[in-house]
Amino acid sequence: DGGITQSPKYLFRKEGQNVTLSCEQNLNHDAMYWYRQDPGQGLRLIYYSQIVNDFQKGDIAEGYSVSREKKESFPLTVTSAQKNPTAFYLCASSILSGGYTFGSGTRLTVV
Amino acid sequence: AQSVTQPDIHITVSEGASLELRCNYSYGATPYLFWYVQSPGQGLQLLLKYFSGDTLVQGIKGFEAEFKRSQSSFNLRKPSVHWSDAAEYFCAVGAQAGANNLFFGTGTRLTVIP
Repeated sequence: DGGITQSPKYLFRKEGQNVTLSCEQNLNHDAMYWYRQDPGQGLRLIYYSQIVNDFQKGDIAEGYSVSREKKESFPLTVTSAQKNPTAFYLCASSILSGGYTFGSGTRLTVV
Repeated sequence: AQSVTQPDIHITVSEGASLELRCNYSYGATPYLFWYVQSPGQGLQLLLKYFSGDTLVQGIKGFEAEFKRSQSSFNLRKPSVHWSDAAEYFCAVGAQAGANNLFFGTGTRLTVIP
């Protein structure tokens, strides 16, 4: 079955450490997205990519980085510059004229 | 500018009662409209979408929504709520083409009382 796979489901980060969240899709979707979700704040866009080797900052890109070397993959790195990284992270993908399909999320906690 | 308003942060209903979740949008052109549902610790699942045609759209899990252009609304309804419907519901509005084309509301949390 086609879908989006996010891994790991739970991730723990120490202070000053970079961590990478994985997002893979086999839907042949062109666009991919990363959102951050905090309680009571809905979804906030971090980065998105329309095509391979191209991506754009969203509303809260500071402290995050992404790459899009393959159409299927859009990993998100949470760098040490992100001062409050504890959150639920959602990856999504879409064709360029449709709704989004979401992964099941990664919960990141700073320890 | 595009925006979506879900005026109810939290709604509580009794099992078996009817449900209506409100969604108002601001968009300059003909919008695409979506409702998503999120169970705790999970991703968002698409309930239904409106692109064109019949303004009453049917979705999964017995949900329906009606597009009212004159009111800029796309309210979600269910005639009889089940305990398993307890979740967070998000309305989204988007352009008819292009990436990064969806704008999400802040969500409505539904609690179902037995």
